[in-house]
Amino acid sequence: DIQMTQSPSSLSASVGDRVTITCRASQVISNHLAWYQQKPGKVPKLLIHDASTLQSGVPSRFSGSGFGTDFTLTISSLQPEDVATYYCQKYNSVPLTFGPGTKVDIK
Amino acid sequence: EVELLESGGGLVQPGGSLRLYCEASGFTFGDYAMTWVRQAPGKGLEWVSSVSSGSVSKYYADSVKGRFTVSRDNSLDTLYLRMNSLRVEDTAIYYCAKTMGSYGVYFFDSWGQGTLVTVSS
Repeated sequence: DIQMTQSPSSLSASVGDRVTITCRASQVISNHLAWYQQKPGKVPKLLIHDASTLQSGVPSRFSGSGFGTDFTLTISSLQPEDVATYYCQKYNSVPLTFGPGTKVDIK
Repeated sequence: EVELLESGGGLVQPGGSLRLYCEASGFTFGDYAMTWVRQAPGKGLEWVSSVSSGSVSKYYADSVKGRFTVSRDNSLDTLYLRMNSLRVEDTAIYYCAKTMGSYGVYFFDSWGQGTLVTVSS
């Protein structure tokens, strides 16, 4: 099975900072990657699919890139409401594996 | 607006069984695959099972294969998860998620609030 890793596992940044989270697949998955945001105590929310397509209603400060095995989620200007854990998920084939998550908070 | 309402969770002893339900509204249920995802307390997300729109294809994580059965009733707009031989490590919030496309191998664009399953003696 393809393994998904994320780095860092957690980060602390200031409001307005540019934040980048990396997701890596152990094998090529084309662009079959989604990103989710889960705020504390809340349900996961889809942010990005097909590696770089922003889901409707998601603020434009979120963006995704990558293809093959290496992917990034970028928050261009971190806001207080972005405090959350972010997960990547592959969907090229089953199992539909999630990454372990990256916890983002405000410094 | 898409709404997914899970129910059926609760406390069960190891080796016991439970059936989860997910009632859907706000979209044409029969046009979409559906998925169960779980989250153990304080842990990350784990895909459990997906079923295609017409129930032709069903997929399971290795951790639940042979113990859990996913099904759906498109006439009732309801998704099910039958869980047998439950283990302590199955303790989690179980989320129902609408899956893009009809096939079942895709991403999840709407999630329910989840139902808590606790396996303990």
